[in-house]
Amino acid sequence: DAKTTQPTSMDCAEGRAANLPCNHSTISGNEYVYWYRQIHSQGPQYIIHGLKNNETNEMASLIITEDRKSSTLILPHATLRDTAVYYCIVKYYNQGGKLIFGQGTELSVKP
Amino acid sequence: NAGVMQNPRHLVRRRGQEARLRCSPMKGHSHVYWYRQLPEEGLKFMVYLQKENIIDESGMPKERFSAEFPKEGPSILRIQQVVRGDSAAYFCASSLNEAGKETQYFGPGTRLLVL
Repeated sequence: DAKTTQPTSMDCAEGRAANLPCNHSTISGNEYVYWYRQIHSQGPQYIIHGLKNNETNEMASLIITEDRKSSTLILPHATLRDTAVYYCIVKYYNQGGKLIFGQGTELSVKP
Repeated sequence: NAGVMQNPRHLVRRRGQEARLRCSPMKGHSHVYWYRQLPEEGLKFMVYLQKENIIDESGMPKERFSAEFPKEGPSILRIQQVVRGDSAAYFCASSLNEAGKETQYFGPGTRLLVL
């Protein structure tokens, strides 16, 4: 599985969009990009995943560059409850297989 | 639709005792994963199981740790003769055994404290 690089921490004002970048320059054609978050030592929460097209769900949007070497998770209107560590994970979309968590980005949403 | 359930949520053991952690996957899920998070560290994969089979145990310590996922009942992570270094949060995740639906969903975790 490809390695990912994320900033260690970011701040965002409440109500603003939070844009969390992730570099995965060694990603292969069969690998998907997954995003999870962990709020204060709770169990990780699945957010979104994608292959090459941009994806959107009720939680967030995922923008993947055309060369697939980087992506951005967008929380359109961040709230204080979005304060968490966000993990970008690249994984083969096969049947099963472990997730490899890096250090993630610690997002602080401030009032 | 209930999510992944883990119990106990908190477990205190003395050195040398055994710890048993239980994980009930989401309804219909037949893949279970165990991860460990040491204090102030990231999550590390331990073991991946399907019903009655261990698929990948590459992250599990060779000694004292074992895992099972029987045909009936929850998955069990067992730690024998616990030591202080086993103190951590243990998370279980589950997924469907269906192509295109492999997203893992996590439980709330079990916090193990070894005195």
